[in-house]
Amino acid sequence: EDQVTQSPEALRLQEGESSSLNCSYTVSGLRGLFWYRQDPGKGPEFLFTLYSAGEEKEKERLKATLTKKESFLHITAPKPEDSATYLCAVRGGANNLFFGTGTRLTVIP
Amino acid sequence: EAGVAQSPRYKIIEKRQSVAFWCNPISGHATLYWYQQILGQGPKLLIQFQNNGVVDDSQLPKDRFSAERLKGVDSTLKIQPAKLEDSAVYLCASRTPGGPYNEQFFGPGTRLTVL
Repeated sequence: EDQVTQSPEALRLQEGESSSLNCSYTVSGLRGLFWYRQDPGKGPEFLFTLYSAGEEKEKERLKATLTKKESFLHITAPKPEDSATYLCAVRGGANNLFFGTGTRLTVIP
Repeated sequence: EAGVAQSPRYKIIEKRQSVAFWCNPISGHATLYWYQQILGQGPKLLIQFQNNGVVDDSQLPKDRFSAERLKGVDSTLKIQPAKLEDSAVYLCASRTPGGPYNEQFFGPGTRLTVL
C-alpha cells in the first residue's frame, strides 16, 4: 500500500534561517513525487515533480531532492511569505496522487 | 489561462441534509479528480474521471456520495444524506491528457460544515 510520511508536522523558522522538510515514501512503481504548497483557504499549488532518484529541482528559495526512499524540500533564507503548508504526494501504479499530511511552515520576521 | 473553478466556496448544512458541489476544470483537461481534505490532513482521493467515464471510485462512500461528469467537462459531487464526519474541504483538480507524470491543478475548494 502506498504510504507517505512527512516530518516535522510543524516548523517555525526565523526569517533567513534555512531548513529542510522531509517526505518519506513507500510506493509500488513510482511515477513521480510531487510537492505542493497550500495556503489557508486555498487549494494546493504545484511546486515540483521529481521522477527518479538523484533528481533535483529549484525554484526561487526552494530546492527539492529525491532518493529511493525520501524527498527533501530545502528552504534557503526563507521569508515570511514562504509560510504555508507544504504537501508531498506520490503517484504509483494506481496513477493517482497519494498525499502526506503536510508540514506547516511558519517564518517569523 | 483560467484555473479550476469550484462553487460554492462555503456551505453549512444540518446532518441528514443533501448538498452538491460543482467543478469546472481547466479547458482541455480530460482527467478530473475530487478529493476530500479533512482539517490537518492531506487531500484524499474520492473519484477520478477520464472524460465522462469513471476511472477510480474505490475510495468513494457510495452509500451517500455520488459524482457525475456529463459531457466530459463540468462535474458535480453530491452527498446525501450528510453526516458530521463529512465536514471537510472538497477539492477538485484536473490534469492534461498525455503521460502520467504531469501535475494536477487544484481549485480553491468548497468548505463544508455539517452541524
